[in-house]
Amino acid sequence: DAGVTQTPRHEVAEKGQTIILKCEPVSGHNDLFWYRQTKIQGLELLSYFRSKSLMEDGGAFKDRFKAEMLNSSFSTLKIQPTEPKDSAVYLCASSPGTAANSDYTFGSGTRLLVI
Amino acid sequence: GDSVIQMQGQVTLSENDFLFINCTYSTTGYPTLFWYVQYSGEGPQLLLQVTTANNKGSSRGFEATYDKGTTSFHLQKTSVQEIDSAVYYCAMRNYNQGKLIFGQGTKLSIKP
Repeated sequence: DAGVTQTPRHEVAEKGQTIILKCEPVSGHNDLFWYRQTKIQGLELLSYFRSKSLMEDGGAFKDRFKAEMLNSSFSTLKIQPTEPKDSAVYLCASSPGTAANSDYTFGSGTRLLVI
Repeated sequence: GDSVIQMQGQVTLSENDFLFINCTYSTTGYPTLFWYVQYSGEGPQLLLQVTTANNKGSSRGFEATYDKGTTSFHLQKTSVQEIDSAVYYCAMRNYNQGKLIFGQGTKLSIKP
């Protein structure tokens, strides 16, 4: 089974640039999540989609972060403009939905460095 | 609000030591509880989950019991190996909710 695919695996951006991260969820999954991961903060939820509809948009990230789900098999996370504090690993995950045994499948992440 | 607490940010053990990672949760609902493991360079992956209170989940020698009385879901392993070095996340999801709530994570380092 194909898992969650994230591209690119690594990204280096200069301060002020616009970057777009991509995610392909597991086929048939209804829910898609974007997380930012840092050593200090751990996993922080950026966006949550259900059947392509935005369910939750992390309050602290609204101004420069925008996630979209163009179709059920593709999502993007745009950061505009980037700042050095955005350096982190960005994880995408998908899930079948709300059944009691539904768990997340994570991608391998995109490691972003902003200089 | 709902929360998951992992007090231990880092645990360092030797091979064959006993592992105990503390996890407590807070919610008014009826959650499913999870442990995820994240190896270096990878995304987190499901280690085990338990849907029903008082049940135990187990996988690859790891165990966790859903204790509704103490609202805890501690992770244990009798004898750790170097390959268990990873970050472990406790998480919960309430009934009919899609979103998982994660703890801060515990980094486990095993000395050979």
